[in-house]
Amino acid sequence: KAGVTQTPRYLIKTRGQQVTLSCSPISGHRSVSWYQQTPGQGLQFLFEYFSETQRNKGNFPGRFSGRQFSNSRSEMNVSTLELGDSALYLCASSTNRGKTDTQYFGPGTRLTVL
Amino acid sequence: GENVEQHPSTLSVQEGDSAVIKCTYSDSASNYFPWYKQELGKRPQLIIDIRSNVGEKKDQRIAVTLNKTAKHFSLHITETQPEDSAVYFCAAISPEGGATNKLIFGTGTLLAVQP
Repeated sequence: KAGVTQTPRYLIKTRGQQVTLSCSPISGHRSVSWYQQTPGQGLQFLFEYFSETQRNKGNFPGRFSGRQFSNSRSEMNVSTLELGDSALYLCASSTNRGKTDTQYFGPGTRLTVL
Repeated sequence: GENVEQHPSTLSVQEGDSAVIKCTYSDSASNYFPWYKQELGKRPQLIIDIRSNVGEKKDQRIAVTLNKTAKHFSLHITETQPEDSAVYFCAAISPEGGATNKLIFGTGTLLAVQP
């Protein structure tokens, strides 16, 4: 099976702009989670989507949002970008067959905010 | 909410030696504990995981132990090789009253295996 894919791999934006990142899970996986990775804060959970519904949310401002489509692909959006939003954004998918399953990560999108 | 602490932050060992990384968690309801390896510029990759109903799990040179009473779990790598050099993250999932895949990560351990 193909692994988790993310597009784009790299993005450069300026403060105040907005950005949309995309994640395609492994075929058959219905859960998609998003994480932010920075040198200072490490890996932090943003949100999880399962069957097109947000199931969990981390402690991030409302500028961070997401959605999931019927084919399980997910997007996350960051509006009004700030310098501190520069990070590696990782998504992870799992089957979620009613219990906690292994999460497989994508390669990430490196976002730089200037 | 769940909090995971990880030690040490850096670890340097000689090739062939063992390496041990320790994590503690705060939520006694946490029931799933994966370990991820992240090489520079790469995605985190699961190397081993353990559920709360098991005390130890091994996979070749890698083992994980879980002490639910003390709320800590450890990664053990034996016969280390230079390709084991990477950042290792522990994580935990707390049920929070329902099904979830919300991973709470430790701060990472940079393992350097000296040839």
